[in-house]
Amino acid sequence: EPEVTQTPSHQVTQMGQEVILRCVPISNHLYFYWYRQILGQKVEFLVSFYNNEISEKSEIFDDQFSVERPDGSNFTLKIRSTKLEDSAMYFCASRPGQGVFTEAFFGQGTRLTVV
Amino acid sequence: EDKVVQSPLSLVVHEGDTVTLNCSYEVTNFRSLLWYKQEKKAPTFLFMLTSSGIEKKSGRLSSILDKKELFSILNITATQTGDSAVYLCAVDSNYQLIWGAGTKLIIKP
Repeated sequence: EPEVTQTPSHQVTQMGQEVILRCVPISNHLYFYWYRQILGQKVEFLVSFYNNEISEKSEIFDDQFSVERPDGSNFTLKIRSTKLEDSAMYFCASRPGQGVFTEAFFGQGTRLTVV
Repeated sequence: EDKVVQSPLSLVVHEGDTVTLNCSYEVTNFRSLLWYKQEKKAPTFLFMLTSSGIEKKSGRLSSILDKKELFSILNITATQTGDSAVYLCAVDSNYQLIWGAGTKLIIKP
């Protein structure tokens, strides 16, 4: 069964360092998302991406964040200068289409720990 | 501001009991409501609801949506220890999912 895959599963980084979280969405999906979940808190929307550009982004998704689909299969989230409060589980999701009857499929997440 | 509120925040029951989890919402552009189960990592999809009054059922789990009163319920009958998880409600509004805080369900043997 097709699935969304994320790497790495866990990354520890020092404050101020850049990190890139990688996702491979399901191959025929067109819409891609990043969400994050700080430990013990609710899942929060970060950004949606369609047709090689950002379609929506939340207030959390500031200039420190960027997304890219560099090669038609990977979908990456870059955090330029990590802060302690960026520590969270980051989930990638994809959808086949934007129609009403499509649910989002989630990857297993990358746990980012900023020290 | 779009919001999704789930209740209760946590629930502890004994195996075999029936539970009802609640999700209410206020969003600007409702498209669908989704239920997910989160155990250790990623949320796994349970149901997507778009129409009022039509029950979705999968084994011991069922869910229904009321678009007039802006809420949904998720029922689990004959609970098992494997049902222990956080159950998340999310509303698709303007092409993004707005998430509730989740209900942490613990099933005691």
